[in-house]
Amino acid sequence: QQQVKQSPQSLIVQKGGISIINCAYENTAFDYFPWYQQFPGKGPALLIAIRPDVSEKKEGRFTISFNKSAKQFSLHIMDSQPGDSATYFCAAKGSGGSQGNLIFGKGTKLSVKP
Amino acid sequence: GAGVSQSPSNKVTEKGKDVELRCDPISGHTALYWYRQSLGQGLEFLIYFQGNSAPDKSGLPSDRFSAERTGGSVSTLTIQRTQQEDSAVYLCASSLVGGTGYNEQFFGPGTRLTVL
Repeated sequence: QQQVKQSPQSLIVQKGGISIINCAYENTAFDYFPWYQQFPGKGPALLIAIRPDVSEKKEGRFTISFNKSAKQFSLHIMDSQPGDSATYFCAAKGSGGSQGNLIFGKGTKLSVKP
Repeated sequence: GAGVSQSPSNKVTEKGKDVELRCDPISGHTALYWYRQSLGQGLEFLIYFQGNSAPDKSGLPSDRFSAERTGGSVSTLTIQRTQQEDSAVYLCASSLVGGTGYNEQFFGPGTRLTVL
C-alpha cells in the first residue's frame, strides 16, 4: 500500500524553466510534508518542508504548494538550473502514536538542460 | 561538524551469506532510522530507534533482518542469509529527537549492497 504517490517519474526542463513535481497522500493523520533532494551517490538532503496549517511555503527558488482538502502537495522550482538536476522525493510524517519515520514517494528524476 | 557516516560504502556478498552494515549518527541525535532504497523506488522504512525505547521494527521485511543500537549511538543492521532481492542501497538517518516532532532527518551516504 503506497501512502504517498509522486509524479512524474522523470522530468526534463530547459534552463530557466519551471519544474513542477506533484504528490498525493491518503492518510489524514500526516501533518509534516518535507521534500528531499538526492544527488547520485549521496544520501537525500532536506530541501524544504511544510505543515498543513499553511497553503504555501517559499524558500528562494523553491516553493511548496499545499492543498489540504485535496490531500495534495507540490514542489515548484523556479528558474531551474542544471545544478538542480537530481532526484526529488516527497515525504509525509504522522503526528500520532510513536511513528517517527517518513513515508516517501518513489521519486522524480529531474534533468535541467542547459 | 561531522554528518551521518556509514560503512562500508559498498558491499558485495554471495547469496546466503550474512552481512553487517554500520551507521554512526550525528553526535547528540537521539533518533536513528534505517531505510532501504531499491532501484527506481523510493525510500522504504525499515526500523527506528528513539533513545532507550524499544525500537519500531514494523518496516523490517523479514526475520532475516535485525538491527541494534549500542549505547544510544552506533547502529548495526544485520541481514542474515542474504538473497538477491536484498540488493539495494541501505540508508541511515538521524534526528535530534524523533516521534511526533518535526526534526529534520539527516541522511548518511548509504551502503550499496549487491548480493550475487
